[in-house]
Amino acid sequence: GAVVSQHPSWVICKSGTSVKIECRSLDFQATTMFWYRQFPKQSLMLMATSNEGSKATYEQGVEKDKFLINHASLTLSTLTVTSAHPEDSSFYICSILPLASGTIYNEQFFGPGTRLTVL
Amino acid sequence: RKEVEQDPGPFNVPEGATVAFNCTYSNSASQSFFWYRQDCRKEPKLLMSVYSSGNEDGRFTAQLNRASQYISLLIRDSKLSDSATYLCVVNKAAGNKLTFGGGTRVLVKP
Repeated sequence: GAVVSQHPSWVICKSGTSVKIECRSLDFQATTMFWYRQFPKQSLMLMATSNEGSKATYEQGVEKDKFLINHASLTLSTLTVTSAHPEDSSFYICSILPLASGTIYNEQFFGPGTRLTVL
Repeated sequence: RKEVEQDPGPFNVPEGATVAFNCTYSNSASQSFFWYRQDCRKEPKLLMSVYSSGNEDGRFTAQLNRASQYISLLIRDSKLSDSATYLCVVNKAAGNKLTFGGGTRVLVKP
């Protein structure tokens, strides 16, 4: 069964609105979750690392004030795309790193993704 | 230069044939390596981890060459269901951050 869920699976919104995407870990607790985006015909690009109980760390070139991340519990991280514009249209995918993953060899589990279209 | 580079393909493969492709990575400090499979408009799914000694999982064989900084994936007896994009993924030591290659598209045809 699914290990990670995302909601919504797809969303269409008008330019200027904000969109919240939820990532839930169903089977594990996760102090660390990751947010990626994937533009058409491109690969996944890491946007930020979401840390439970602390601020997210963003990759270079990703605006922290535009992509707000909240990781309030060990099973939920949210990504809010603020004042969305058409260029933010993309496939947003989260992944979790299960708690007690002691080494770098442990598998990340990916959510099914959220397809955002900004008109 | 991209951190992880792949031939985008597509590799058009007759059903039952063998296909192999490589991925190169630029960071010599990279610690772990994976092949993921991604179907159209879906999330990536782990196909296999890649170990220094090479490893095999059914029809899939992965190899790692640290000296030349590349990993490879070989698919034997290709099935129609093997059609997908194969993503080479590298994990640098710090922070468990994964770096994805652009993917190699494989199309298996009857």
